[in-house]
Parts: sequence; C-alpha cells; structure tokens
Amino acid sequence: ETGVTQSPTHLIKTRGQQVTLRCSSQSGHNTVSWYQQALGQGPQFIFQYYREEENGRGNFPPRFSGLQFPNYSSELNVNALELDDSALYLCASSLAPSSGTQYFGPGTRLTVL
Amino acid sequence: DQQVKQNSPSLSVQEGRISILNCDYTNSMFDYFLWYKKYPAEGPTFLISISSIKDKNEDGRFTVFLNKSAKHLSLHIVPSQPGDSAVYFCAARGRDTGNQFYFGTGTSLTVIP
Repeated sequence: ETGVTQSPTHLIKTRGQQVTLRCSSQSGHNTVSWYQQALGQGPQFIFQYYREEENGRGNFPPRFSGLQFPNYSSELNVNALELDDSALYLCASSLAPSSGTQYFGPGTRLTVL
Repeated sequence: DQQVKQNSPSLSVQEGRISILNCDYTNSMFDYFLWYKKYPAEGPTFLISISSIKDKNEDGRFTVFLNKSAKHLSLHIVPSQPGDSAVYFCAARGRDTGNQFYFGTGTSLTVIP
C-alpha cells in the first residue's frame, strides 16, 4: 500500500506566475484535501475534493483552484502568485469526506519571489 | 480568526517523564478533535482522536483529555521517549464547519535523553 505522494518537493516561482502542484492519494482513498501551511502556522484548509467534485472550501480566493481525476489523484493550481503564497502545501487523502483520519503527503515547498 | 490555539510553541521534557501538550478552541460547535505529529520533511501523521461525547481516549502511551466546558484538550504522553520529539498539532471540526478541520499552530516537543 503506497502512501500519499506529492510533487514537486520544492518550487520557486515569481510573482504573477501560475503553479500546479500534484498529489497522489493513498490507495482506496476517494477524498483529498489541500492545506496551506505558512511558516510558524498550522495547516489551513484550502478545499476538499470528493469523487472529482469540490466538496468544501476554506477562506481562499478563486485563484486557488483544484482538480481531482478518476484515479483520485489531484492537482492544486494557483494563478497570479503573490509573495504571501510562499508556504508548504500539503495534501491529505481519506477514505471518505467525513473521515476524521487524513493521511498527509510530505508537502511541496513553494517560494514566490 | 484562530479558532484552535496552541499557546506553547515549544516544550522540553526528560525521557521517561510525562509530556503534556495543550490546545484551546473557541468554537463551541466543534465536536471532533485530533492530534497529529509531524517530523521535519514529512507530512503530519495521525496520532489520536476524541469525539465530544467522550472526555478521555487512550492509545498506548498517548491519552487525550477533553474538557468541553473549558474548551480545552490536552495530549499526555507517558513515558516520553526521544522518538516522540516532533511538532504536535491539534485539529478540530464541528457541525457548522462541514469537513473542514481547523489546526493549531503546533507545539514543538523535545524529549531529552
């Protein structure tokens, strides 16, 4: 059973650019949630995808968008990058949307210059 | 709006002694709480959870206590081991938050051999 994987590990972008981060869910998990963790903060919920549909969204602007594919892998897209978008982006998969136990990937460290 | 707070950024404990990590929350609708442990360069891993219908849950060396009237939960680790050195996050969700979890800012635990 493979765990949650994320790519890339690190990424450097400049302000105004667009970025796509990828996540492969744990086998058998149909739900994925994305989080932003700024330095010194806890993870902040961006959104959740369940069976390829957005299933809940935190307090993030529309330039944060996502996709979930039939194999339950997922992408997080961020347009018009701002300096404050620099953070660790974590994805977490779970067996169901309401499942309390989420399995996190190691994260993608995004730096916006 | 920090709905989950961990007011101690760090904690040092001697090996074999008890570690007590604290977490406070403000939303009285929260009804499910979790603790995660995070090692550097890894994603958070689930440790233990508690539902609001209970006030205590044990799993081996780990015990979580919930005081609903004080909106406070704590994680006890007994006995503490050097491998427990990590950042610990508490998280909560409630009837009014859907599947969104709110995380605290974390407490860095160091267990001294």
